Amino acid sequence: AQSVAQPEDQVNVAEGNPLTVKCTYSVSGNPYLFWYVQYPNRGLQFLLKYITGDNLVKGSYGFEAEFNKSQTSFHLKKPSALVSDSALYFCAVRDTNRDDKIIFGKGTRLHILP
Amino acid sequence: GAVVSQHPSWVICKSGTSVKIECRSLDFQATTMFWYRQFPKQSLMLMATSNEGSKATYEQGVEKDKFLINHASLTLSTLTVTSAHPEDSSFYICSAREGGRARSRELFFGEGSRLTVL
Repeated sequence: AQSVAQPEDQVNVAEGNPLTVKCTYSVSGNPYLFWYVQYPNRGLQFLLKYITGDNLVKGSYGFEAEFNKSQTSFHLKKPSALVSDSALYFCAVRDTNRDDKIIFGKGTRLHILP
Repeated sequence: GAVVSQHPSWVICKSGTSVKIECRSLDFQATTMFWYRQFPKQSLMLMATSNEGSKATYEQGVEKDKFLINHASLTLSTLTVTSAHPEDSSFYICSAREGGRARSRELFFGEGSRLTVL
């Protein structure tokens, strides 16, 4: 079955430090990968996506993600965390058996400590 | 990016009543919209795919008579929770993809609607 795993429920990072939010995937065929962020009682905001090309994808708010095919990972990164980055982050992959369906991970709550 | 508007943001209703939630794509046409349900501290669960001008496609386990979806135009989809019960209380989120069925395009999400059934 196709799936996305976010192994960490919560990640704590001090402000100014680099952050990483982990994601691994399992799909048949070429993966289309996404990261979204959700603030409390809000919808999801798109951060970035990987379709093809460079393994390092740059997105909104200074975030980037590295696609690693051999490790089937798509970790989200930022060089220097801000307190305002504190939110819930979802990794997602398009279901290769269904063109219209996106499979979401369970989410990782990111706490940036001032 | 494209804007998806969802209304209302919050709604409280009595058990047994019906509640309608609207999802609008403000600056693009969306032939397909999606409805999700999110439980506290959990991920999004796809409920149904809303197709303009045709019947919605429901995910397994989602009651289509309970959650009525209408996609009457290219910019509007509605979700009606019929005869709501307290267990229907949840955060409902819609999303839309700009243009046709390009699998590489990201989804744009509404702000969500929190339903509380008393």
